[in-house]
Order: sequence, then structure tokens, then C-alpha cells
Amino acid sequence: DAGVIQSPRHEVTEMGQEVTLRCKPISGHDYLFWYRQTMMRGLELLIYFNNNVPIDDSGMPEDRFSAKMPNASFSTLKIQPSEPRDSAVYFCASSLSLTRAGELFFGEGSRLTVL
Amino acid sequence: GQQLNQSPQSMFIQEGEDVSMNCTSSSIFNTWLWYKQEPGEGPVLLIALYKAGELTSNGRLTAQFGITRKDSFLNISASIPSDVGIYFCAGQLRSNYQLIWGAGTKLIIKP
Repeated sequence: DAGVIQSPRHEVTEMGQEVTLRCKPISGHDYLFWYRQTMMRGLELLIYFNNNVPIDDSGMPEDRFSAKMPNASFSTLKIQPSEPRDSAVYFCASSLSLTRAGELFFGEGSRLTVL
Repeated sequence: GQQLNQSPQSMFIQEGEDVSMNCTSSSIFNTWLWYKQEPGEGPVLLIALYKAGELTSNGRLTAQFGITRKDSFLNISASIPSDVGIYFCAGQLRSNYQLIWGAGTKLIIKP
């Protein structure tokens, strides 16, 4: 079975450019999470969705970040405009249900470098 | 905010040695989970614990949910080279199901 699929795996861009990260969760999983990982701050939850509806976006750093989930099989995380401090590995993860919401299946991540 | 204290931060061990790491919190958690992350990959779930006092094994890995619901440990017996990676604990609050993550324990095995 396919796991969580993220693209691109690596992105190098210049400050001010728009960045779009994509995620396909595991089929049948009701929850989708976007995390950011840096050496300094570890794993940070940015936003999560339940049945395509954003539930908690309190972790989104600022208005430059936005996330959408137009259907059960696709989500995007957009940064516009990007800044060097956004450089990090961004993970998408999905889980099956509320009672097992902690059992996350992560994608391989998108490593973003903003110059 | 909520915090987990995970220790040790890193471990340098010989192949074949047993490993122990733990997480503590000032908060009571509903669930404790242990993940492993290898370079260039996302974290992978190793063990999930749902009851205070629960002791669960997964091969050479054993984890326990502390009786106070504020701590958990992970043991790895007879370490092998493929155990190298960063191990994260995570606690889940009942109130909002959000995961709180430890900072990770980096396991390095000396050749």
C-alpha cells in the first residue's frame, strides 16, 4: 500500500518567491497534519484537518502560510512570500481516526531552502 | 505551554548494548507514543501506549506508560547498527488530541 506521498522532496528558492508543498494522505485516513521540523525547534504542528476541514491552525506561523485540503486525497501548504527563516523540512502525516489520532503516518518530507 | 523532557539527548553505545531512554512531563497524558526517525525520512511509529502501567513490546523494543500518566520509557535490547536514528516520544492530551513532542534522543552505535 502507498504511504503518505509528498512533493517536492527538495525545493530551493529565493526569498520572496511562492512555495507550494503537496501531500497525498493514505486513503481512508480522516486526519491530515502538516508539521515543520528544524534543529532549533524540533517538530512543530502547523495545522491539521479532519475530513478536509481545518480544525486547528494555531501553529501556522503567520499569514504568509496557508493550507488547503480540497478533497480527501490532496492537501497543499503554501508560503507566500517565502523568507530564509522558513527553511525547514515540512512533513505531512495522516491518521485513521480520532481515537488513534496519535498514530501518525508521515511522508518523507519536503526539504525547503530559502536563499 | 506543554512540554516533554526527553533524555538523554544523545547516546553513544557499542553494538550489542541495551539502551534506555525516557520522557517526563508535568501534564497527564492520555496516550504515549514512540517514534523513530532515520536521516532523510519522516518519523515512523514504533509503539503506542494507551493505559497507565501498560508495558508493550515490539521485537527488541519495550515501552511502558508510567503509572502517574506523566512519563514513559523506551528500552532497546541488544542494539544493532540499524537501530541508529533519532527516537522521539510524544504524549497526547485527552482534551484536544494534540500531540506534544519530545526533543528526541539521537542513538549512535560505535563501530
